[in-house]
Amino acid sequence: QKEVEQDPGPLSVPEGAIVSLNCTYSNSAFQYFMWYRQYSRKGPELLMYTYSSGNKEDGRFTAQVDKSSKYISLFIRDSQPSDSATYLCAMSVGNFNKFYFGSGTKLNVKP
Amino acid sequence: DAGVIQSPRHEVTEMGQEVTLRCKPISGHDYLFWYRQTMMRGLELLIYFNNNVPIDDSGMPEDRFSAKMPNASFSTLKIQPSEPRDSAVYFCAAAGGASSGANVLTFGAGSRLTVL
Repeated sequence: QKEVEQDPGPLSVPEGAIVSLNCTYSNSAFQYFMWYRQYSRKGPELLMYTYSSGNKEDGRFTAQVDKSSKYISLFIRDSQPSDSATYLCAMSVGNFNKFYFGSGTKLNVKP
Repeated sequence: DAGVIQSPRHEVTEMGQEVTLRCKPISGHDYLFWYRQTMMRGLELLIYFNNNVPIDDSGMPEDRFSAKMPNASFSTLKIQPSEPRDSAVYFCAAAGGASSGANVLTFGAGSRLTVL
């Protein structure tokens, strides 16, 4: 079983829709949870960063962590065509530790 | 800061040739990571360094792969001899900057390798 599981998609939604992206994981020791966005032919860039459980909001983006279910989510409100990218979840046990990435979900927001 | 700089951006080579990928990390970031990304396997950690010292190379696929970090501003990933299954995008990433924190990876643009 992989450490981190993520549905590869693709996920296609109309502009303005609410998008929900999810990852599950098996290692209960994970404490740090991140979402990266990767545009085509570019390197991943950090979008959201959360420590332990709870929610974090940044503009149209909300990250949720449910450690009891070993499940994390990224919500995108009022999705825009510029949000079209691959979204990768990542997690680690502690500071300066190995990062475990999901395989990425490809999102397409249609105008 | 220019961010993490990788070269070459694209490399096409023939099987059996030596390939050297280069990375200039962000100044002040103590950790450097080499990842490989393919459609089939996603993003895989190959090796990471702390203060120029290799910490974990368990992801290096075989002895054909080697990585060095002779100083804080330069790292190389070498494949010798290269094989078609090494075709992938190789990313260098930095972490540990004072402003960005321990768990924030900053990636370079990647080196796209094609081995014929």
